[in-house]
Amino acid sequence: DTGVSQDPRHKITKRGQNVTFRCDPISEHNRLYWYRQTLGQGPEFLTYFQNEAQLEKSRLLSDRFSAERPKGSFSTLEIQRTEQGDSAMYLCASSLSSGLGKQFFGPGTRLTVL
Amino acid sequence: QQPVQSPQAVILREGEDAVINCSSSKALYSVHWYRQKHGEAPVFLMILLKGGEQKGHEKISASFNEKKQQSSLYLTASQLSYSGTYFCGTALSDSGGSNYKLTFGKGTLLTVNP
Repeated sequence: DTGVSQDPRHKITKRGQNVTFRCDPISEHNRLYWYRQTLGQGPEFLTYFQNEAQLEKSRLLSDRFSAERPKGSFSTLEIQRTEQGDSAMYLCASSLSSGLGKQFFGPGTRLTVL
Repeated sequence: QQPVQSPQAVILREGEDAVINCSSSKALYSVHWYRQKHGEAPVFLMILLKGGEQKGHEKISASFNEKKQQSSLYLTASQLSYSGTYFCGTALSDSGGSNYKLTFGKGTLLTVNP
């Protein structure tokens, strides 16, 4: 059984550069979520997809952030013109839309903006 | 509307018990509990729906007090493998019964020593 995978696991970039992360959910899961986690905090909701439709986006997500899930399978999260405050762990999770909504998390992508 | 977890940290000797609380100021639809080890993804433990039910997972169980809008996670006869940070994630009742949007607490760091 393949879990949620994320790529890359680590990314170091300079301020002002663009970065893109990829998430591959569990294959039968039609819901996909992006969270951000900083040190000493719980995961913070960023956005959520049901199939290919992005149904909600956090108000915390500035217009520099964009996410896509073009075919309802994998998803990408892009951050444009990165800032030092974007440094965090970016977690992806997936779930079924039926049932209790149990979310399975991927290992995350750790972003460091210099 | 971030749930409040207590205590922030707890240190146990192997075999001792612990209780972790998660409180919300708003009416909850469900509470999700996760454990995260350093550098790893959060791992799902259990979900509780409003209705005051109690669920169990080996020696880890949880309850949900709808009147108090509080959930408690009970760890009995702790093992070294229980060490990690425990997060509760809450879904609000006004979300229409949807479990997709979770708001996580800051976490409780549990350390189990031999």
